[in-house]
Amino acid sequence: GAGVSQTPSNKVTEKGKYVELRCDPISGHTALYWYRQSLGQGPEFLIYFQGTGAADDSGLPNDRFFAVRPEGSVSTLKIQRTERGDSAMYLCASSQTGVADTQYFGPGTRLTVL
Amino acid sequence: RKEVEQDPGPFNVPEGATVAFNCTYSNSASQSFFWYRQDCRKEPKLLMSVYSSGNEDGRFTAQLNRASQYISLLIRDSKLSDSATYLCAILTGGGNKLTFGTGTQLKVEL
Repeated sequence: GAGVSQTPSNKVTEKGKYVELRCDPISGHTALYWYRQSLGQGPEFLIYFQGTGAADDSGLPNDRFFAVRPEGSVSTLKIQRTERGDSAMYLCASSQTGVADTQYFGPGTRLTVL
Repeated sequence: RKEVEQDPGPFNVPEGATVAFNCTYSNSASQSFFWYRQDCRKEPKLLMSVYSSGNEDGRFTAQLNRASQYISLLIRDSKLSDSATYLCAILTGGGNKLTFGTGTQLKVEL
């Protein structure tokens, strides 16, 4: 079946601009996660959704980052006033129930802030 | 101390060699452990879960040592196609989020 999909695959923007990154989870998965991976590092947790609600947003680095999942399926990660330090691979994952489940990752969006 | 630590490598090994990676973790309450494989510029893909009793999948064996708080991955008869970064991950936050190590890079050479 179809896996997790993310769009765009690459995004180049200028410092100060606003960006939106989209994630389409595996059909039927109630849990959705966003991670960020910098070069040479492992993925770092940003936020976890259970259904439509953000159950844990403790990994969001500051208030420029926000994510939504209005219908409990597709999620959008929004970054305001982008900074060069935001450049990274943004990975989305989904799991069936969110409780100690296997997480399946999408191909990621590579964000470059010039 | 980081929650999850790995030797970043690279480990350069000849084809056919056996190679082992360790990953240490600091939270003794951690319950679920995983090894992911990540190819260059690709997403992490689950290689195997790690159980207390250990588990084996073909050439790959994963083990958990709770007393010393580490997990290990053993690759036997390594292939060129095994070249990748191997990430260990632990479920934390009540079982809702993965905490990853930095990954260990493996290069299998002819």
